[in-house]
Amino acid sequence: AQSVSQHNHHVILSEAASLELGCNYSYGGTVNLFWYVQYPGQHLQLLLKYFSGDPLVKGIKGFEAEFIKSKFSFNLRKPSVQWSDTAEYFCAVETSGTYKYIFGTGTRLKVLA
Amino acid sequence: SAVISQKPSRDICQRGTSLTIQCQVDSQVTMMFWYRQQPGQSLTLIATANQGSEATYESGFVIDKFPISRPNLTFSTLTVSNMSPEDSSIYLCSVGTGSYEQYFGPGTRLTVT
Repeated sequence: AQSVSQHNHHVILSEAASLELGCNYSYGGTVNLFWYVQYPGQHLQLLLKYFSGDPLVKGIKGFEAEFIKSKFSFNLRKPSVQWSDTAEYFCAVETSGTYKYIFGTGTRLKVLA
Repeated sequence: SAVISQKPSRDICQRGTSLTIQCQVDSQVTMMFWYRQQPGQSLTLIATANQGSEATYESGFVIDKFPISRPNLTFSTLTVSNMSPEDSSIYLCSVGTGSYEQYFGPGTRLTVT
């Protein structure tokens, strides 16, 4: 069965530290990839997406993600986190054409001021 | 993007009863989805509700337990029937765009006692 893994369940960082959250999926075909963020008390928001082309995609608030097809990975990065980045981050995979998402288990990020 | 509202935002229900959750979108959309997020777990797709057709349920979810209505292009309901404590979850609706992105509502937090 198709699945999405996020290996880091809880991450604590100090402000200005660099962030990398892992996301791996199991599906051999074409995929569309997403990272969503849920700030405390708010609903899920799209952070960035990858459909095709340049495997390094940039999203909002300084986030970026790199698609490595050979590793079935779509890791999220940010060079310098801020306290306001404290949130839960979800990786999602859409197997092309189905419009259905498979979500990872989420990573709770806490940034210390 | 789309602005999505859900009612109720939260509820506490007794086992054996049913709850209907409403999802309203500020624009016409073809694809709507219902997800469940159980405590400590990721989002799991319950069903796809496209206007003009019967809802399509994912494995492990059945219409008798989670009947869905989609009367028009801006509205859908999900009913959680004959509830048990295991149904305690956050239920979210989302809408799909033509480019595989989804926008999520704020969720309905359900507690079954």
